[in-house]
This record gives sequence, structure tokens and C-alpha cells, in this order.
Amino acid sequence: NAGVTQTPKFRVLKTGQSMTLLCAQDMNHEYMYWYRQDPGMGLRLIHYSVGEGTTAKGEVPDGYNVSRLKKQNFLLGLESAAPSQTSVYFCASSKGLATDTQYFGPGTRLTVL
Amino acid sequence: TQLLEQSPQFLSIQEGENLTVYCNSSSVFSSLQWYRQEPGEGPVLLVTVVTGGEVKKLKRLTFQFGDARKDSSLHITAAQTGDTGLYLCAGAFWRGKLIFGQGTELSVKP
Repeated sequence: NAGVTQTPKFRVLKTGQSMTLLCAQDMNHEYMYWYRQDPGMGLRLIHYSVGEGTTAKGEVPDGYNVSRLKKQNFLLGLESAAPSQTSVYFCASSKGLATDTQYFGPGTRLTVL
Repeated sequence: TQLLEQSPQFLSIQEGENLTVYCNSSSVFSSLQWYRQEPGEGPVLLVTVVTGGEVKKLKRLTFQFGDARKDSSLHITAAQTGDTGLYLCAGAFWRGKLIFGQGTELSVKP
């Protein structure tokens, strides 16, 4: 079992460019999440999904979009990247509610110039 | 605003010392989780505490959930260099949302 994988590991964008981050899990989990981690701010929830075909906003959704077309994949899109989106992005999945154990991927370090 | 305040933010100690990390909120949680994160990796769950007043032990780590379910602490006895990392608390609400604290960066020097 690979658990939760994220692609890519690192990326540098220029302001205004777009990109998609891919998250995949092989644990048949219903719930998936996208977080961003910034120094001194812990993890903040961007968007989450409670099942295939569903998505919902988290604490900091502005500037991001997500899609969950397949149960095992959760995509995070940046349509027009801004320097404020420079961060480390983590994907996570859980069997049921957010109160269940969340399994995290290794993260994607994104720099927007 | 639902906030989870974690303290201290940074902690640098010598091997063998004891330490305590605190997690406080004005909100009541259904449960509280503690995660540990190493550089370049995602957080990994250490423990979940569910009942007010609950104490759980994981080798040299002791986790406590406050009686009112608003706060928690992590105590490490005789810290080792392998304990170095970022410790995160996360409070869960009944409707299923999880809120993370800012994290405590622990450095244990030999």
C-alpha cells in the first residue's frame, strides 16, 4: 500500500500561471482533504470531499478549486497563482468523519514568484 | 473564530530533560488529536483523546484531555534526539470539522 501520494513534490510558478496538484489514495477512504501549511499557522483546510463527486469549502478556499471525479483521486487547482499561495500543500484522507485518523501525503512545496 | 492556541511555538532542550506542550481553546471539542511531523513529510497521528479528563500514554509521551474538553497537554519524559520534530494538536468538532493548532517545533540536542 502506498497510502497517500502527491504529485508533484516541488513546483515553481510565475504569478498568473495555473497548475493542478494531484492526490491519490489506495485505502478506499471516503473523505479527502487539501490543507496548506505556512510557518506559525499550522494546517489550514482549503477544500474537502466526503465522497466521489462531492466537494466542500474549508477555512481558506479563495483562489483554489477542487474536483473528485474518482474516489481515489482529489485534485487541487490554482487558476491564477498569486505569491500569497506560496506554501506547502498537504493532501489527507480518512475513512469516515474528519474526527477519524487522517492519513497525510508527503506534501507539495509550491513557490509563486 | 474557532482557534486552537498551542504553546510554546519553539522549544529547544537537552536530551534527558522533560517538557510539556499545551493546546488551549475557548471551544469544546468532541475529541482531540496529536500529530507529529518530521521535515519533508506529512503529519502522522500519535493519539486521539475522547473523554474529558482522559490520560493516554505512549511510551515516554503522556497525553491529557482537559475535564472541560477545551484543552490538552503533551508531556515528554526524558526527551531523546529522536523526539525532534513538529508537534501539532487538532481539535475535532461534533459536525466533523478538524482545527489544527499552530504547532510546536521541538529540538532535542544531544
